Amino acid sequence: AQSVSQHNHHVILSEAASLELGCNYSYGGTVNLFWYVQYPGQHLQLLLKYFSGDPLVKGIKGFEAEFIKSKFSFNLRKPSVQWSDTAEYFCAVSSYQTGANNLFFGTGTRLTVIP
Amino acid sequence: DADVTQTPRNRITKTGKRIMLECSQTKGHDRMYWYRQDPGLGLRLIYYSFDVKDINKGEISDGYSVSRQAQAKFSLSLESAIPNQTALYFCATSEGQSGANVLTFGAGSRLTVL
Repeated sequence: AQSVSQHNHHVILSEAASLELGCNYSYGGTVNLFWYVQYPGQHLQLLLKYFSGDPLVKGIKGFEAEFIKSKFSFNLRKPSVQWSDTAEYFCAVSSYQTGANNLFFGTGTRLTVIP
Repeated sequence: DADVTQTPRNRITKTGKRIMLECSQTKGHDRMYWYRQDPGLGLRLIYYSFDVKDINKGEISDGYSVSRQAQAKFSLSLESAIPNQTALYFCATSEGQSGANVLTFGAGSRLTVL
């Protein structure tokens, strides 16, 4: 079975600090990669996605992620975080080989930004 | 109005009771999903449906059943609730193949089984 690993369970940063959240997956075939965000008290929403093409993808609110196939990674980055970025972040992966409908989520990383 | 609406938002019940969580959507999407979220475990897929006549089990379907009453409605049932089904449940929708996996989530239904 495919697995998605998010090694950082809780990250605490001060405003303006740079952010990088790790995501690694286990499947070696063609994959679709996603980051979803869940703000406090809200539902999950798509932050960014990678299907093909440029491995550096840009999402909403200044977030970006880089797909590194050789490392099976899709890390999320933001150069300067804001208090409003406090949320839980989920990496998710699907592949055509395992059924594109099967979206596997990581366990999530809780980000707390201190003003 | 929300694109994906879940009811109830919160429910406390007792072991052995039958519970139904309902989901309706105005996105016009064919695909609908039920996930549960547990602290430290992320989201896990319970059931999914590609259209009214297509229902599929996900990773953790034991103890659950679903019904796709219409394109816009997808309900999740716990026939006999047990405490380890205490969780936050999310309904989600997506388009067909071209938009697969870009999910639109509901606000969640928090279920507590005593």
